Amino acid sequence: QSALTQPASVSGSPGQSITISCTGISSDVGGYKYVSWYQQHPGKAPKVMIYDASNRPSGVSSRFSGSKSGNTASLTISGLQAEDEADYYCSSYTSLNTLYVFGTGTKVTVL
Amino acid sequence: QVQLVQSGAEVKKPGASVKVSCKASGYTFTGYDIGWVRQATGQGLEWMGWMNPKSGNTGYAQRFQGRVTMTRQTSINTAYMELSSLRSEDTGTYYCARAGDYDDAFDIWGQGTMVTVSS
Repeated sequence: QSALTQPASVSGSPGQSITISCTGISSDVGGYKYVSWYQQHPGKAPKVMIYDASNRPSGVSSRFSGSKSGNTASLTISGLQAEDEADYYCSSYTSLNTLYVFGTGTKVTVL
Repeated sequence: QVQLVQSGAEVKKPGASVKVSCKASGYTFTGYDIGWVRQATGQGLEWMGWMNPKSGNTGYAQRFQGRVTMTRQTSINTAYMELSSLRSEDTGTYYCARAGDYDDAFDIWGQGTMVTVSS
């Protein structure tokens, strides 16, 4: 089971919006609602930002939103802020033998 | 508050085993699954497996099957992950995490345990 495919890096200026894609197959992203997104700052544990593809946990800023279409999920950060600079990982349930799989990770840089 | 506290850093020789603990507090330990995630230094996240603390049922990623064992001791609200036949590629940070109030997403994470495998 290969990792889900994410762009290695995405950048934007403060106030702009950016979108991170997460591409899988019909056995994972395309087949189930169980797509999550995590934010990880250097040296810290990950933090869940989106679950079930488009739902935001309590306490997460409304600037973060998620969507899914076919085999691709997306995370959008609007009104980019310096504190959003971090690594972002998607995750999905999979019917293949790993049960769950993470994305390759995307480094977000705020210019 | 709700938290998971993991055991400290470990240094092991190739071929040895390591057992990492994850102590839960602030919630009903048997009410939520616990997952384990590995992160090699400077690399991405890798899902290792999960355990239901109430039943003890487990599910492991295929690449770890045969080498990983996840257990728990409910009397002290603690989950364990043991990885055997260690090799240098197993060096990294190991996290436990709770699949809590948001379906299967991990909402609470431990602080991570660094495991170094070196001769």
